[in-house]
Order: sequence, then C-alpha cells, then structure tokens
Amino acid sequence: DSGVTQTPKHLITATGQRVTLRCSPRSGDLSVYWYQQSLDQGLQFLIQYYNGEERAKGNILERFSAQQFPDLHSELNLSSLELGDSALYFCASSVGIADTYEQYFGPGTRLTVT
Amino acid sequence: AQSVTQLGSHVSVSEGALVLLRCNYSSSVPPYLFWYVQYPNQGLQLLLKYTTGATLVKGINGFEAEFKKSETSFHLTKPSAHMSDAAEYFCAVSDTYSSASKIIFGSGTRLSIRP
Repeated sequence: DSGVTQTPKHLITATGQRVTLRCSPRSGDLSVYWYQQSLDQGLQFLIQYYNGEERAKGNILERFSAQQFPDLHSELNLSSLELGDSALYFCASSVGIADTYEQYFGPGTRLTVT
Repeated sequence: AQSVTQLGSHVSVSEGALVLLRCNYSSSVPPYLFWYVQYPNQGLQLLLKYTTGATLVKGINGFEAEFKKSETSFHLTKPSAHMSDAAEYFCAVSDTYSSASKIIFGSGTRLSIRP
C-alpha cells in the first residue's frame, strides 16, 4: 500500500459524458501527478501540481483538466469523453517538486467509455 | 527532448536464471533514470533510481542497474529470478534541469518466469 488513494476504482460511462477522478496523496506529500496508461499509448504523464499550483504539463488533452485543492487532494476532470479515452488513470504523489523525490503511485482508476 | 527505449516487450526466463531488461535513453541534459515495476492490477512501484554519483545502483528485491553514459543505457539486472518477479517493468527518464518532475516512461517490458 503506497498511501495514495484513488476513487473510484472502476468507472464505466458513455461517449460524450464527463467524469471526475479523485486522488488523495500520501500524508505530507505536496506534489500530485496524473498519468494515463493505455495499450496503444503506454504510460503517459498528464500533469503535475505542487501545493495547489500547476507545475508541469504533459500530453494532456484540452478536454481534460485537473486541480489540486487546499487539502492537497486532486481531481482530474475528463469531458466530452471518447472511446479512446478508455484507459487506466494513475495518480502519484511525492514530497517535493524535484525529480529526485520518489513518486508513490495509487492503484489507479480504470475508465471504460462505451 | 527526452525519450526511453525498452528493448523487448516480453522477456521470459527460468526461475533462478539471470534477469536482464534493457533500456536505452536519449537526453540532451544529464538525466535522472528510474526503473519501476507494476504487478498485475496494481500501481507502479519504484525499484531504483539514478540521480548522481555511483553509476551502479542497487534497488529493492535484489535488482540493480548500471548507468552507462557512453552507451546511453540503464539496463536492469537480477542474478537469480524468482517467480514473484513476474510483472511489467518500466524504465523512465526525467530532466535534471527541470524545476518540475516530468517523467517519460518507456513502453514497458513484461517479465515472465518459467518454473
């Protein structure tokens, strides 16, 4: 158990819909990261927040957005969902902002778009 | 731009045999390098990382990796495979000059262990 929690574990929704994935980092961690893992694209970095502020952006679509709240939990919002958005979405957290800090991964949310 | 190439999407070894998972990276600046493991239906777990200093890095579960700048490689090894090592392994690279942590992952290598 990494100490990072993600809800829900599974999510099934239809195309065109909007969903919100939630992540609670390990106690004391200020950085939160979101990743998407799919069969065709592999594991891709989406976005990073540090203490409420966006710090790095990866291959995140404009239909996706994220935020980190004052209590440090984070939400990833996915809208206008397409079949290709079906994937495993991971959240990770780390103590600081630099690359030398180990990232602890949550168990993931499996999103299925039908 | 940084990238990682993992050679072999699937590696199968016998229990007790040497494990060798290959990773080559591309980076215009000194890299940080990582190996992560993903067990079925779980998130990723850090096995080991190279930042600076000693080029031979020891990690958890008996794994180690050697940073070879001249070969731009960071191969993962374990002297003797156990059945419990069966998992997906990801090599990753990040930018030492970045003020944020953007890790680029390889496509992964699935390790199978034969009894």
